[in-house]
Amino acid sequence: EADIYQTPRYLVIGTGKKITLECSQTMGHDKMYWYQQDPGMELHLIHYSYGVNSTEKGDLSSESTVSRIRTEHFPLTLESARPSHTSQYLCASSEYGSSPAEQYFGPGTRLTVT
Amino acid sequence: QKEVEQNSGPLSVPEGAIASLNCTYSDRVSQSFFWYRQYSGKSPELIMSIYSNGDKEDGRFTAQLNKASQYVSLLIRDSQPSDSATYLCAATSIQGAQKLVFGQGTRLTINP
Repeated sequence: EADIYQTPRYLVIGTGKKITLECSQTMGHDKMYWYQQDPGMELHLIHYSYGVNSTEKGDLSSESTVSRIRTEHFPLTLESARPSHTSQYLCASSEYGSSPAEQYFGPGTRLTVT
Repeated sequence: QKEVEQNSGPLSVPEGAIASLNCTYSDRVSQSFFWYRQYSGKSPELIMSIYSNGDKEDGRFTAQLNKASQYVSLLIRDSQPSDSATYLCAATSIQGAQKLVFGQGTRLTINP
């Protein structure tokens, strides 16, 4: 079944640690996105990719980085976690060339930095 | 003005009634709109999209788009307790048709 996956679902980690949030999709989509969402607040786009070797920064300034070496995989890395990074991180994908863009979301990773 | 604006609620509706959710938008978004439903602690789920003026119906859901007044709405008929969630309005950004701009969401509670 075509789907979008995120791991881990929950992560509690100490300040200064390096972490990678994984996102994979079997939807056959070319475009992928990372959003950050605090409880009760709107989604903010932090990174997106239109395909392999394509990455762009989103509207929200972020200290994270992303890579897109394979179509189905779009990991997000924080080199040095801080308490201000505590949030929910949502990965999404959409089909290339489909306009307008219907995006489909993964289950999310809830990150807590202590 | 924000690109996409919603009343954050909470909006409380009795079971079986029609729930009406509204969203206004600025000139900084394009003409494609989406409604997502987000249960507490879960990720957003796409429930409706609308691109043309007028109404679009899908089961108990009807999306309405009025480009002249720059608003889009979602009607939920025969509301059920399972409809209790936050509803996010989104629009494509003029910076790129593949980027979405989200409103802050309206929290809807259906009372049995």
